[in-house]
Amino acid sequence: EEQVVESGGGLVQPGGSLKLSCAASGLTFSDYWMHWVRQVQGEGLVWVSRIKFDGSETSYADSVRGRFTVSRDDAKRTLYLQMNSLRAEDTAVYYCARDQIPGSGGSPGDYWGQGILVTVSS
Amino acid sequence: QSALTQPASVSGSPGQSITISCTGTSSDVGGHNYVSWYQQDPGKVPKLMIYAVSNRPSGVSDRFSGSKSGNTASLTISGLQAEDEADYYCSSYTSSRLVVFGGGTRLTVL
Repeated sequence: EEQVVESGGGLVQPGGSLKLSCAASGLTFSDYWMHWVRQVQGEGLVWVSRIKFDGSETSYADSVRGRFTVSRDDAKRTLYLQMNSLRAEDTAVYYCARDQIPGSGGSPGDYWGQGILVTVSS
Repeated sequence: QSALTQPASVSGSPGQSITISCTGTSSDVGGHNYVSWYQQDPGKVPKLMIYAVSNRPSGVSDRFSGSKSGNTASLTISGLQAEDEADYYCSSYTSSRLVVFGGGTRLTVL
């Protein structure tokens, strides 16, 4: 079955850290950029970060740049998001998604994880 | 980066056609052809409906179509069905090498 599955979410105190993982199975991983997208309950989708298929380029939304780091391990077919200095406003469901077009990096595509909840609260 | 502008809500009757707009700038929608549209039911994972302005992924109904003119992209749903009721989001690649989403549009089928 073709799927991506996130893990690593949970409750963390403000200022704390958390590392999300996203494991891909049954689909091509290494030729595609990967994205992280988040969504506060009841609100819209917000793009967070992306990483090139070979890991050589990364991009971040202004709201997380300098605090979040995206990485990937193609041998493990796994995407990561290291989140540091977490704030209450980072509370959201986080999705990983494969890009739609091999090599392009232009937009999350048709393979999304089920989402993982991150709650930042004391 | 500013979110792309979408109407908060649109509505239509079964069988009708509706269009959802997504307005950006020359640095995103107008300057790149990586415009996508997603459908999201409440509590569910977003589903890709259109990519690269006007391309449909396998399995998406041909009632869904996308286009772009200048800085505005559009999603048109023809032959509206009750099952189309959902939230719709556009996204675009930007000249800053980022991706930006629209604020979302709630489609109501009357």
